[in-house]
Amino acid sequence: AQSVTQLGSHVSVSEGALVLLRCNYSSSVPPYLFWYVQYPNQGLQLLLKYTTGATLVKGINGFEAEFKKSETSFHLTKPSAHMSDAAEYFCAVTHNTNAGKSTFGDGTTLTVKP
Amino acid sequence: EAGVAQSPRYKIIEKRQSVAFWCNPISGHATLYWYQQILGQGPKLLIQFQNNGVVDDSQLPKDRFSAERLKGVDSTLKIQPAKLEDSAVYLCASSLDSGGGETQYFGPGTRLLVL
Repeated sequence: AQSVTQLGSHVSVSEGALVLLRCNYSSSVPPYLFWYVQYPNQGLQLLLKYTTGATLVKGINGFEAEFKKSETSFHLTKPSAHMSDAAEYFCAVTHNTNAGKSTFGDGTTLTVKP
Repeated sequence: EAGVAQSPRYKIIEKRQSVAFWCNPISGHATLYWYQQILGQGPKLLIQFQNNGVVDDSQLPKDRFSAERLKGVDSTLKIQPAKLEDSAVYLCASSLDSGGGETQYFGPGTRLLVL
């Protein structure tokens, strides 16, 4: 079984401030982890993913995430928020023995204040 | 490269009516997914196809929902009869294959409102 918990359904930051969105997962086998972004009235778009190898993963738009097995976490960060980062962010987990079936968290809405 | 196409974008129906959604995945993508996204929640997988075969439909309410992927390309998701709790966004996604590390590419979704 696998599950994802995103701490904080809403996060608000000022423009230029650090963005930190939290994701904890549960998986009985080595996980693959994803962060997706969803803008209003659009589908989800991949920001970054961890499969194997380096645990610090860089994605699009200046985002990065670090896989920490000991903490079962995959938090998303960006050093400096931009107004265009305002969106909903979803963390997802899957693994190689379930045909890629993904389990998503409930999402975190990021608001960026001017 | 064209993305995942879905239609219609919006649909309003009354309870007990039927509705169908259509999805055209990215060309060459073997795996196709249908998700239900209820307001305030993350997407929940309804059904996953590998080519024209079903890989997982464990969370599909089979008494009212059905889906098919004829010829392993386009797919249709149907609800009959609809209930109020079916109001949600229905997302279609595709990926090259069904491995755990595959990136899923999502369409814009169909927003369904059941009155």
